[in-house]
Amino acid sequence: GENVEQHPSTLSVQEGDSAVIKCTYSDSASNYFPWYKQELGKRPQLIIDIRSNVGEKKDQRIAVTLNKTAKHFSLHITETQPEDSAVYFCAARGGGGSNYKLTFGKGTLLTVNP
Amino acid sequence: NAGVTQTPKFQVLKTGQSMTLQCAQDMNHEYMSWYRQDPGMGLRLIHYSVGAGITDQGEVPNGYNVSRSTTEDFPLRLLSAAPSQTSVYFCASRTANTGELFFGEGSRLTVL
Repeated sequence: GENVEQHPSTLSVQEGDSAVIKCTYSDSASNYFPWYKQELGKRPQLIIDIRSNVGEKKDQRIAVTLNKTAKHFSLHITETQPEDSAVYFCAARGGGGSNYKLTFGKGTLLTVNP
Repeated sequence: NAGVTQTPKFQVLKTGQSMTLQCAQDMNHEYMSWYRQDPGMGLRLIHYSVGAGITDQGEVPNGYNVSRSTTEDFPLRLLSAAPSQTSVYFCASRTANTGELFFGEGSRLTVL
């Protein structure tokens, strides 16, 4: 099955700096790559996603890049703010018979220091 | 719309007891799933369903049963609880054609 590796497990930045979280996946047939944000004690919520026919997607201060050849994708947050502090999960959804299964990375705890 | 509703929010069980975590969605989503979340382990898929009457195993199905008799409901059953099943459980749903998973608020289960 699909395997998703996520790094780093913790990340601390100063307010206003950029943060980058990286993920790799194993199934070359995977075609959908979302990122979820989970604040302490809350449910995960989708913040951005990208499909395999696109190399980059931006939404205000958040961007995701995808390198299908290398099988890795990254989340970029610019001008970080204290409210960006949370756990971020990457995920990959396989193709074919695995099209219904979304496999998550183990998460990155991002702390933005004022 | 209430979205995805899970009950109970908290539960303490003794080893060997059984219980059912309830999940209901009012968005007419075809796809529903159960994940467990453990510290440092991310979200791991237990079981999922692509429609009423259809269920399949995820990554960590052992010790759990599911059924999907209606589009709205997808209960998760623990037949004989074990301490290893202490976790936070999330139910999630989406339409067949979109990617976004909508999660419930989670159910924190402790097995003593």
